[in-house]
Amino acid sequence: SQQGEEDPQALSIQEGENATMNCSYKTSINNLQWYRQNSGRGLVHLILIRSNEREKHSGRLRVTLDTSKKSSSLLITASRAADTASYFCATDHIIQGAQKLVFGQGTRLTINP
Amino acid sequence: AAGVIQSPRHLIKEKRETATLKCYPIPRHDTVYWYQQGPGQDPQFLISFYEKMQSDKGSIPDRFSAQQFSDYHSELNMSSLELGDSALYFCASSLAPVDEQYFGPGTRLTVT
Repeated sequence: SQQGEEDPQALSIQEGENATMNCSYKTSINNLQWYRQNSGRGLVHLILIRSNEREKHSGRLRVTLDTSKKSSSLLITASRAADTASYFCATDHIIQGAQKLVFGQGTRLTINP
Repeated sequence: AAGVIQSPRHLIKEKRETATLKCYPIPRHDTVYWYQQGPGQDPQFLISFYEKMQSDKGSIPDRFSAQQFSDYHSELNMSSLELGDSALYFCASSLAPVDEQYFGPGTRLTVT
C-alpha cells in the first residue's frame, strides 16, 4: 500500500474553525513535508518537520510528528476561505544518497464562508 | 528570490507525438526532480538528477527520457504520447540531494 496515506480524504468546515488533517507513513523518514495545492495549480511548500522534531509552528499552521506511530498531523487554525485547497503530506526517501518525495493522496479541504 | 522555472506552462499534443518539457532550477541548485500528477491524483516521482547524472528513477515509462545539462537545467522528453500522459508535470530542485525540494509551477500537458 501507499506511503503517506492521508485522512480524511475530504474535509468541509466553516470559516473560523480549525482544520486537522492526518498523514501516516510506513518506512523510516528523515523529514516530512506538507504542501498545499489549489485546484490544478502548483505545489506550495508549507512546512517541513524533521524526524527529530515533534512539533513545529508557522503562522496559523501547526504540524506534529510522531515517529513511533509513523504519523503526522497538520492543524490550520482560524481557517479562511482562501485555505480551500488540497493538502498533501510528502515523506522523503533517500536511496544511495538520492532523495525522492513520496506524496500521500491528499486531503481536499473546503472552507465554507 | 528566484524560483524554479518550467516551460512551457501549457502544452497540447496529439497521440503519438513527442513533447519536451524544460526545467530551470534555482541558481546553485544541482539536483533536479521530475514528478507527474494525473487528474485527481497525488504527484508521483519520475526521475532525479544530481550533478548531471541520473540519481534515482521512479515510475517513468520507457517512452520518457530525461537529462540534466551542464548548466543544470533539465529536459524531460516524452515520445509516442498517449492519452494517459495528460497530466501536470512538476520539476523541483534542491541545493543538494538531501535538501528541501522547491517546486516549479508545473507544465500542464494535454494529449488529444
